[in-house]
Amino acid sequence: EPEVTQTPSHQVTQMGQEVILRCVPISNHLYFYWYRQILGQKVEFLVSFYNNEISEKSEIFDDQFSVERPDGSNFTLKIRSTKLEDSAMYFCASSEDLTGGLETQYFGPGTRLLVL
Amino acid sequence: QKEVEQDPGPLSVPEGAIVSLNCTYSNSAFQYFMWYRQYSRKGPELLMYTYSSGNKEDGRFTAQVDKSSKYISLFIRDSQPSDSATYLCAMRRTGGFKTIFGAGTRLFVKA
Repeated sequence: EPEVTQTPSHQVTQMGQEVILRCVPISNHLYFYWYRQILGQKVEFLVSFYNNEISEKSEIFDDQFSVERPDGSNFTLKIRSTKLEDSAMYFCASSEDLTGGLETQYFGPGTRLLVL
Repeated sequence: QKEVEQDPGPLSVPEGAIVSLNCTYSNSAFQYFMWYRQYSRKGPELLMYTYSSGNKEDGRFTAQVDKSSKYISLFIRDSQPSDSATYLCAMRRTGGFKTIFGAGTRLFVKA
């Protein structure tokens, strides 16, 4: 069964450093998402991406964040200058289409980011 | 007031029990209501979704939406130990991409 994959599974970085989290969505999917989950807290929407542009973003997704689909298979989230509060589990998700207005999003296993 | 409120539990039930999980919300623009299951150290997995009000059944799972009360429920019949997980309610408005999640209810089903 096809699945969303994410690398790395864990990343430790120093505050102020740039990190890139990588995701390989399911191959025929068109919509891509990033979410984060701070330990013990709820899953939070960061950004959605369709047709090579951001379709919606949350207030969390400020200028420190960017997304890219560099090569037609990978989908990346970049955090330019990490802060302590960026420590969280980051989930990538993808979906096939918006038939009927809602699609099934398939989540990856997550990347646990720890900022020291 | 939070957009979506969900009791985090934990909720512990014996095997075979009927489980009721609930969320309330404040934004009347929400039209899509979803339930996700999340096992420890895994990403959420969509169980079922409902559009607007009404009920939807899928095997042992039934989702209900009462838009007049801004209240949604997930019922699990004949609960199994393998149902032990965190259950997340989630909502989205029509035409939007942003999904708002509840805090999740941690469920333990004891054999």
